[in-house]
Amino acid sequence: DGGITQSPKYLFRKEGQNVTLSCEQNLNHDAMYWYRQDPGQGLRLIYYSQIVNDFQKGDIAEGYSVSREKKESFPLTVTSAQKNPTAFYLCASSPGTGGELAKNIQYFGAGTRLSVL
Amino acid sequence: GDSVTQMEGPVTLSEEAFLTINCTYTATGYPSLFWYVQYPGEGLQLLLKATKADDKGSNKGFEATYRKETTSFHLEKGSVQVSDSAVYFCALTTYYGNNRLAFGKGNQVVVIP
Repeated sequence: DGGITQSPKYLFRKEGQNVTLSCEQNLNHDAMYWYRQDPGQGLRLIYYSQIVNDFQKGDIAEGYSVSREKKESFPLTVTSAQKNPTAFYLCASSPGTGGELAKNIQYFGAGTRLSVL
Repeated sequence: GDSVTQMEGPVTLSEEAFLTINCTYTATGYPSLFWYVQYPGEGLQLLLKATKADDKGSNKGFEATYRKETTSFHLEKGSVQVSDSAVYFCALTTYYGNNRLAFGKGNQVVVIP
């Protein structure tokens, strides 16, 4: 089955610890995205990548880092600099960016819920 | 910048009632508009979309019409079921090179049997 797999489903972070959230897609999509969701709020963009070995900051990138070494993988690291990391994290991908609508529709994974111990 | 505004607060209604969720937007350029649905504990699923003025997106009994004159994309369903209980997000993109989606805050819909 084609889709986006996020792991783990639940993650706990200790004070001062970095944690990494996994996102893998087998849709052959070029673009991938990370969003943060807080209760009662919409999704906010953390980082996005339009192509392998390239990524851009979104609206709330501080305290987070990413890499895009492979087309199918876009891991997100929540660093100790992120003082309020408790949230639901969603990864998405799209076939491409720009141009016709079909390239731009974003498909989402099931999410990772991060909590602080 | 681009933004989406959804009506405040959760929506609670009885089974078979009519559902409306309001969505208005501000965009630099000509956006495409989307409704996403999030079931409890899950990620978002695309519910419907529209790319130009007067387009009507529809899926699973839900409909929304792209109204450029009122910058709106209200979601409607004529007869809701308990299984429609979820959070609904309105979103837009203007394709300016990076396909960033701007989301509204979402509306929790609870359908009571």
